Amino acid sequence: EVQLLESGGGLVQPGGSLRLSCAASGFTFSSYAMSWVRQAPGMGLEWVSAFGGSGGGTYYADSVKGRFTISRDDSKNTLYLQMHSLRADDTAVYFCAKAGPYATPRKYYFDYWGQGTLVTVSS
Amino acid sequence: DIVMTQSPDSLAVSLGERATINCKSSQSVLYSSNNQNYLAWYQQKPGQPPKLLIYWASTRESGVPDRFSGSGSGTDFTLTISSLQAEDVAVYFCQQYYYTPLTFGGGTKVEFK
Repeated sequence: EVQLLESGGGLVQPGGSLRLSCAASGFTFSSYAMSWVRQAPGMGLEWVSAFGGSGGGTYYADSVKGRFTISRDDSKNTLYLQMHSLRADDTAVYFCAKAGPYATPRKYYFDYWGQGTLVTVSS
Repeated sequence: DIVMTQSPDSLAVSLGERATINCKSSQSVLYSSNNQNYLAWYQQKPGQPPKLLIYWASTRESGVPDRFSGSGSGTDFTLTISSLQAEDVAVYFCQQYYYTPLTFGGGTKVEFK
């Protein structure tokens, strides 16, 4: 059974930093692209970043480029999102999502999602 | 960026009746090299993550009931629930995966009439 478990969310002041983690199990983690998607309270879904599988590239939304860094440790089956210079509009639930089996580089749909971790940016 | 526009924003349907949700992309998501539409549909219930229903615009994910169907090509797509059940009350999102940044529609809330 595929499981994705996010952690690391919390309350942070504007300008602060936070690192999110996503522990994966139930599939060959290294073979699949992984992504972060966020959802502000009561709002829709916004793709944040992706890391290709099997040594693939990294991709970012313009809204986070230069502030967020996605990484993965395939030996630990874990995806990360390092967030710096956080702003109020980064407040959201951050979901970790696995790319579907027919996805190709940069063309990702998502067949499994974690429960999400809430990041609140406020003074 | 490809903008995804869903309509309506909300929809009230009687139990057992048909629900139809539309999704329009600002540019075509039909990839000519494989004739596939890079369009997915998700269902999200309150307090839960999204669940994949449909990919390639019309391919149902394993385990998804056959009352859910996707159609359309190019820039115009539809998700149809043929006979609404109690457990289908949710918000539905479309997503294009033709280009990064990947983009989602604003969502359509399906409720009981």
